[in-house]
Amino acid sequence: NAGVTQTPKFQVLKTGQSMTLQCAQDMNHEYMSWYRQDPGMGLRLIHYSVGAGITDQGEVPNGYNVSRSTTEDFPLRLLSAAPSQTSVYFCASNPSGRVYEQYFGPGTRLTVT
Amino acid sequence: GNSVTQMEGPVTLSEEAFLTINCTYTATGYPSLFWYVQYPGEGLQLLLKATKADDKGSNKGFEATYRKETTSFHLEKGSVQVSDSAVYFCALTLYTGNQFYFGTGTSLTVIP
Repeated sequence: NAGVTQTPKFQVLKTGQSMTLQCAQDMNHEYMSWYRQDPGMGLRLIHYSVGAGITDQGEVPNGYNVSRSTTEDFPLRLLSAAPSQTSVYFCASNPSGRVYEQYFGPGTRLTVT
Repeated sequence: GNSVTQMEGPVTLSEEAFLTINCTYTATGYPSLFWYVQYPGEGLQLLLKATKADDKGSNKGFEATYRKETTSFHLEKGSVQVSDSAVYFCALTLYTGNQFYFGTGTSLTVIP
């Protein structure tokens, strides 16, 4: 199993540009989540999904969109990037009802200039 | 609200030294508590967990005891190794909305 994969590993955007961070998992987990990691702030939940077609907001959802058309994929979209979105983004997945068994991807480091 | 506070880093120790990383929490219900570890360039990995008061989680020589009376979950290891160099995160969940609350992370460097 590849586990949780994320692409790209690094990305530089200009303010106002849009892009999609990709996340995929091959463990057939129902739940998937997106976090951002900022210095001195730990990880904060952006959006999560409890299954295909179902998404919900986390702690810091503004400026981000998600969709879940398949069990495997959970892309994160930045419609108009801002410098405040400079961060490291982690995708995670876990089986239903077992949030403590989250498997994290390797992360995407995003810089918005 | 729900939150996790952990000791500021960075922490630098010599090999075989004793490690303690403090973690305290605030929760609106009865949380489960976790320690995650992040090695350089990698995502987070679950290190250990405790799901109720007085439980002790342990893994790879690390231990933490869920203390409800002091709302704490301090991470300890009796003899650290260079390979333990990483960032350690304390976290809690109340099992609602798939929400984890993470501390800010403590960077540990172990020198030979």
